[in-house]
Amino acid sequence: SQELEQSPQSLIVQEGKNLTINCTSSKTLYGLYWYKQKYGEGLIFLMMLQKGGEEKSHEKITAKLDEKKQQSSLHITASQPSHAGIYLCGAVRNTGNQFYFGTGTSLTVIP
Amino acid sequence: KAGVTQTPRYLIKTRGQQVTLSCSPISGHRSVSWYQQTPGQGLQFLFEYFSETQRNKGNFPGRFSGRQFSNSRSEMNVSTLELGDSALYLCASSFRTASYEQYFGPGTRLTVT
Repeated sequence: SQELEQSPQSLIVQEGKNLTINCTSSKTLYGLYWYKQKYGEGLIFLMMLQKGGEEKSHEKITAKLDEKKQQSSLHITASQPSHAGIYLCGAVRNTGNQFYFGTGTSLTVIP
Repeated sequence: KAGVTQTPRYLIKTRGQQVTLSCSPISGHRSVSWYQQTPGQGLQFLFEYFSETQRNKGNFPGRFSGRQFSNSRSEMNVSTLELGDSALYLCASSFRTASYEQYFGPGTRLTVT
């Protein structure tokens, strides 16, 4: 099983709607990172969360970290077609310093 | 500043062959990490090189190997290709080792037939 599970696996929303993507870890999180990937391309770093309760925003995207629940959520307000892509959460193992990613959430925004 | 470049972008190989992929990091970055992305397994860490030394390695068979040159450019080699090796191979560069602040290349799409 994956250490970082994302839900939902895919999402189709109408332009202008709000949406939330969740990332749940089976292990203690020492920081959580969100990336966006356009289909078939490389990843773009969105934001990093390090402390429990931390919340960061960039344009219309807000991410929160709940350390107790070992979970992070990514919320997009008033979605636009430019938000479409695959959203991936990532973390660094506290042993071995390996970076690993979640299962990914595919977002489609219908104009 | 030029971004991370990967060559070739697309590749078709036959089972049993070997393949070499190349990654040129952002100037000044000394760490290069490689990832394999497939629909079934998602994005998985292969290995990381920093200053020409392999620093971390994921859970992949020995058919997957890599190296890094003195100019930080890195190559990844897969020998005895299998159908399951078909994937998007991404490399990412960063200034420090094991850094979340990675910059990804566009990837190499490998198809094994």
